[in-house]
Amino acid sequence: LAKTTQPISMDSYEGQEVNITCSHNNIATNDYITWYQQFPSQGPRFIIQGYKTKVTNEVASLFIPADRKSSTLSLPRVSLSDTAVYYCLVGDPAGFQKLVFGTGTRLLVSP
Amino acid sequence: NAGVTQTPKFRVLKTGQSMTLLCAQDMNHEYMYWYRQDPGMGLRLIHYSVGEGTTAKGEVPDGYNVSRLKKQNFLLGLESAAPSQTSVYFCASSLDRDTEAFFGQGTRLTVV
Repeated sequence: LAKTTQPISMDSYEGQEVNITCSHNNIATNDYITWYQQFPSQGPRFIIQGYKTKVTNEVASLFIPADRKSSTLSLPRVSLSDTAVYYCLVGDPAGFQKLVFGTGTRLLVSP
Repeated sequence: NAGVTQTPKFRVLKTGQSMTLLCAQDMNHEYMYWYRQDPGMGLRLIHYSVGEGTTAKGEVPDGYNVSRLKKQNFLLGLESAAPSQTSVYFCASSLDRDTEAFFGQGTRLTVV
């Protein structure tokens, strides 16, 4: 049973807002939700993390509904350089102390 | 402050050869991880460590061994390399389970 489910790919144009939703029905009470970005031939890079409601930093916003069974990463006014794979992670429901990545969402931003 | 450094960056092995990949971090992190990433795929966790002297299996541990003798280093060993182990290997470290993980630049390994 997958811990997170994301769309495989998304397309957008420069200047648009992009929202990527992640489903995590089995999220545990103590789990945080974390998003990473990965460019080709590079290791993933942390974007944002949250537990509930809304979190915003200089790069993105993270929206988490009250039931925490899903979350949405929002990228305002994307540019070509935002083309990357975006991963949603949650704490392992079994309590194991590790980071487990899913398949991610491949975002393509076009001019 | 170098962050997470992986050695080597590239390596070609013959089937049956052994090698060790080194991951070093200078952030005093407790947690360290080894992942592999195959073309077009997400990262899969091989082994991880929650502190010096500890190691644990991840999703795909078969064919690999690890050691964490010093807090700052996490070694990944391949005792008898197989073509199926051709992949890009990433090391990461974090302060704890729920905090930001920092990744190395990756090691591209080809087994022929």
